[in-house]
Amino acid sequence: NAGVTQTPKFQVLKTGQSMTLQCAQDMNHNSMYWYRQDPGMGLRLIYYSASEGTTDKGEVPNGYNVSRLNKREFSLRLESAAPSQTSVYFCASSEHAGPSGTDTQYFGPGTRLTVL
Amino acid sequence: GNSVTQMEGPVTLSEEAFLTINCTYTATGYPSLFWYVQYPGEGLQLLLKATKADDKGSNKGFEATYRKETTSFHLEKGSVQVSDSAVYFCALRGSSASKIIFGSGTRLSIRP
Repeated sequence: NAGVTQTPKFQVLKTGQSMTLQCAQDMNHNSMYWYRQDPGMGLRLIYYSASEGTTDKGEVPNGYNVSRLNKREFSLRLESAAPSQTSVYFCASSEHAGPSGTDTQYFGPGTRLTVL
Repeated sequence: GNSVTQMEGPVTLSEEAFLTINCTYTATGYPSLFWYVQYPGEGLQLLLKATKADDKGSNKGFEATYRKETTSFHLEKGSVQVSDSAVYFCALRGSSASKIIFGSGTRLSIRP
């Protein structure tokens, strides 16, 4: 049982390049999330998917797109990377979203992205 | 809107010292409250949680009590160890929300 896995672990991009961060979970969770972590700012939610087939914007969605490929996988795409997107990106999953669900989130190890 | 404020770090203590990391929140209704811990090079892990007023969450010697009257959820441990060195995040989920809001994190370093 690997939990939440993310690839790649590290990535360096030039301004304007595109890339996709991959995330997969093997816990049969319904909900998945993408966060970015910047010094002194905690974690900020980029996008989330409450269930397969749905996605919603979080606090900082600009410059990103997501795809919930199936129940296991949730990818984050940067179409034209900017230096402001230099950050550590975390994927997370939970059994359910919403007030009636189990709301513990399980996190992947993160992707450290640098945009030059 | 909902928000979480936690004490700024870094916090440096000697081994076996008493730890308190303050956390206060703003929310409507009855949020659930959490402490997550991030060890170096890893993702966040849930440390403890409390889902209603006066509940006490506890795990690995850490405790936090949900105080609605003071809108607080302070993290405490009676005797810290070097292995407790990490970044600690206070978080909440609103009573009608699907998203968790995180505080900015407090870096804790324990000296042998």
